[in-house]
Amino acid sequence: ETGVTQSPTHLIKTRGQQVTLRCSSQSGHNTVSWYQQALGQGPQFIFQYYREEENGRGNFPPRFSGLQFPNYSSELNVNALELDDSALYLCASSLLAGGETQYFGPGTRLLVL
Amino acid sequence: GDSVTQMEGPVTLSEEAFLTINCTYTATGYPSLFWYVQYPGEGLQLLLKATKADDKGSNKGFEATYRKETTSFHLEKGSVQVSDSAVYFCALFSSGANSKLTFGKGITLSVRP
Repeated sequence: ETGVTQSPTHLIKTRGQQVTLRCSSQSGHNTVSWYQQALGQGPQFIFQYYREEENGRGNFPPRFSGLQFPNYSSELNVNALELDDSALYLCASSLLAGGETQYFGPGTRLLVL
Repeated sequence: GDSVTQMEGPVTLSEEAFLTINCTYTATGYPSLFWYVQYPGEGLQLLLKATKADDKGSNKGFEATYRKETTSFHLEKGSVQVSDSAVYFCALFSSGANSKLTFGKGITLSVRP
């Protein structure tokens, strides 16, 4: 069974740029959730994708957007990067849209300069 | 809204000491409760969970009991090891239209040989 994978592992961008982060869900899981973990904080829910549609969103502005593909992999896109977007971005997959047990990937560490 | 409060850290213990990490929550309805662990440079790993009042989750010597009357889910281990050094996150899952995990801030545990 393949676990959740994310790419890239690290990324450095400058303010105003755009970034795309990628996630492959665990085998058999059709739901992907994205979380932002700032340094020293717990993860914060960004949004969830189920069957290629957004299925819930946290308190993040529209410049955070996502996609899910037919193979259930997902992308997180962030436009107009700000310094405060520097964080660890975690992807988690679950078996169902309301699945409470989520399995996390290793994360992508984004630094915005 | 939902929230999770963890005791302030960091916590430093000697090997074989007893561990308690406090966690309380606020939620509407009947959430499921989780403990996740994050080792340095890695993503989150599910440690244990409990889905209803008085349930006890356990794994790798760690235990936590879902206490509805005190809205708590304290993590305990009878004898910690150096390899338990990590950041521990308490979380709740609320089902419904915007189902998601809500995390506490996390607490860093360091175990000395």
